[in-house]
Amino acid sequence: DADVTQTPRNRITKTGKRIMLECSQTKGHDRMYWYRQDPGLGLRLIYYSFDVKDINKGEISDGYSVSRQAQAKFSLSLESAIPNQTALYFCATSALDIEETQYFGPGTRLLVL
Amino acid sequence: RKEVEQDPGPFNVPEGATVAFNCTYSNSASQSFFWYRQDCRKEPKLLMSVYSSGNEDGRFTAQLNRASQYISLLIRDSKLSDSATYLCVVSRYNQGGKLIFGQGTELSVKP
Repeated sequence: DADVTQTPRNRITKTGKRIMLECSQTKGHDRMYWYRQDPGLGLRLIYYSFDVKDINKGEISDGYSVSRQAQAKFSLSLESAIPNQTALYFCATSALDIEETQYFGPGTRLLVL
Repeated sequence: RKEVEQDPGPFNVPEGATVAFNCTYSNSASQSFFWYRQDCRKEPKLLMSVYSSGNEDGRFTAQLNRASQYISLLIRDSKLSDSATYLCVVSRYNQGGKLIFGQGTELSVKP
């Protein structure tokens, strides 16, 4: 079984709809992250959390919110989806160690019409 | 200007070729450096960390030049399976594990 899972894997929604992307991990890591990837722009950090009570904005948090329900779960919400939020979304986790390696989920492809 | 910049490519090379990717970063406070690999429509995965002394892992060699704020990845004897996008990544200790990604360099190895 995968260590970092994301649901749904693909989603089509309409402008103005609320949508939630979910991430779960079995790696026991405290740190979790949400990124979006757009062609030519690389991965950009949306929000990150270093433990259950810690939430931080990333580079592009406008239009998004997150919830860290447990150590293993970190969800990303689009309160009112817009077409320029069409992207590939990745969740990632990392341990609190010197290596800083991040482990990514398989991604969620979101299309906002 | 982006904090981490890479030549997006694509680099099209024959099997067996040696190919080099370059990356520059703008923030001198950057402390840790990595190369991640991303296959088409898949998640990024760590390929190797990059140390000041340079490091090698099989056919892959990574080097760091802090004075020039430049990172490189050399792939020798390219295989078809090396075809992927290679992401240059930096972080700063005072950012507590936040990674800054370059836009990636696409490599296509042909028979």
